[in-house]
Amino acid sequence: EVQLVESGGGLIQPGGSLRLSCAASGFTINSNHMSWVRQAPGKGLEWVSVIFSGGRTDYADSVKGRFTISRDNSKNTLYLQMNSLRAEDTAVYYCARTSIRYGDFDCWGQGTLVTVSS
Amino acid sequence: DIQLTQSPPFLSASIGDRVTITCRASQGISSFLAWYQQKPGKAPKLLIYAASTLQSGVPSRFSGSGSGTEFTLTISSLQPEDFATYYCQQLNSYPRTFGQGTKVEIK
Repeated sequence: EVQLVESGGGLIQPGGSLRLSCAASGFTINSNHMSWVRQAPGKGLEWVSVIFSGGRTDYADSVKGRFTISRDNSKNTLYLQMNSLRAEDTAVYYCARTSIRYGDFDCWGQGTLVTVSS
Repeated sequence: DIQLTQSPPFLSASIGDRVTITCRASQGISSFLAWYQQKPGKAPKLLIYAASTLQSGVPSRFSGSGSGTEFTLTISSLQPEDFATYYCQQLNSYPRTFGQGTKVEIK
């Protein structure tokens, strides 16, 4: 069964750092593109970052220079390192498998909540 | 960045109704569009990709159409489990962008 399980969320003060993890099972993450998407409380979906199967990465302007996406192929796990966190980064963060053919997000994790507050 | 505008933002409908949601792109995106369903407290679920291709396991009452800048998601006969928020997403370029969502509620 294809599954994604996020972890690492929590309460963090502004300016702090946090690393999210997304453990994949049922498929190999480095054979796929993988994305992070976030959703602020009561708001819509916002794409955050992608790591392509070849290793290239891309980011939303709102997180560029502060967030870093990476993967550990041996652990089949995706990461999102978040630095210099701001109140506006408060959201549920989802990882999603991203179809190589069309780019749609065909499998999502359950999400992990990040709250940035003093 | 490509902007997506969904309409209506909110829709009230009854069981058995035919429901149509529209998504307009700020520039042409061919058929590079997906639709997702999200229920409260849950992750989004892929319904349709490439504008009109039904994801495996999704009921056939869901359908998508359109190309270029105008797209529609249609639910042919609304079922109780379909009350949710629906999002479109453009797959044409990065940054990937989503519409603002359409919440479908019970009339």
